[in-house]
Amino acid sequence: ELKVEQNPLFLSMQEGKNYTIYCNYSTTSDRLYWYRQDPGKSLESLFVLLSNGAVKQEGRLMASLDTKARLSTLHITAAVHDLSATYFCAVDRNRPGNMLTFGGGTRLMVKP
Amino acid sequence: NAGVTQTPKFRILKIGQSMTLQCTQDMNHNYMYWYRQDPGMGLKLIYYSVGAGITDKGEVPNGYNVSRSTTEDFPLRLELAAPSQTSVYFCASSYEEGVYEQYFGPGTRLTVT
Repeated sequence: ELKVEQNPLFLSMQEGKNYTIYCNYSTTSDRLYWYRQDPGKSLESLFVLLSNGAVKQEGRLMASLDTKARLSTLHITAAVHDLSATYFCAVDRNRPGNMLTFGGGTRLMVKP
Repeated sequence: NAGVTQTPKFRILKIGQSMTLQCTQDMNHNYMYWYRQDPGMGLKLIYYSVGAGITDKGEVPNGYNVSRSTTEDFPLRLELAAPSQTSVYFCASSYEEGVYEQYFGPGTRLTVT
């Protein structure tokens, strides 16, 4: 059974600081997704990582995938308040249907 | 494109009642999914479909049923609602090939009392 663990579960940081969110998963997969969820809202796709070594960047966020280590990271550079949200990683189960297993989420609060 | 739409947005059910959550997508996606999200948790897959007429169970299917008669629609049926089904329900869809990214609807917040 595929398990996906994120850490930390909660992150409070000051504006301007850097930090990394980690996503570990338990079985082989080469497709991983990062989503953002604002309170009371739906999920918004941030990054799609489709191969070992994939790196994607958008603004202050950068995501990477190491399929050998079964690890993805979401790095935040010079955080701003607008990045406050919950971030989920989701791993493709490598089965027909493109089913995803989600991590528990990392709730990020960026303080001015 | 409206993307993925869900109705209703909110619903309160009494224990033992039944209801159908509606989901429609206009992106011609073959793959569709139903998830539930309990407070402070990640999403868990209830059912999924790889095309009209084809559905299969996800991680937490008990207490739910689905059907897929068209490419666009994927309703989720709750029979005999229980308090444990209090949750936010998200429908999603994706292409069969290519990027595989799932697009999510706005969600339905369901309370069973």
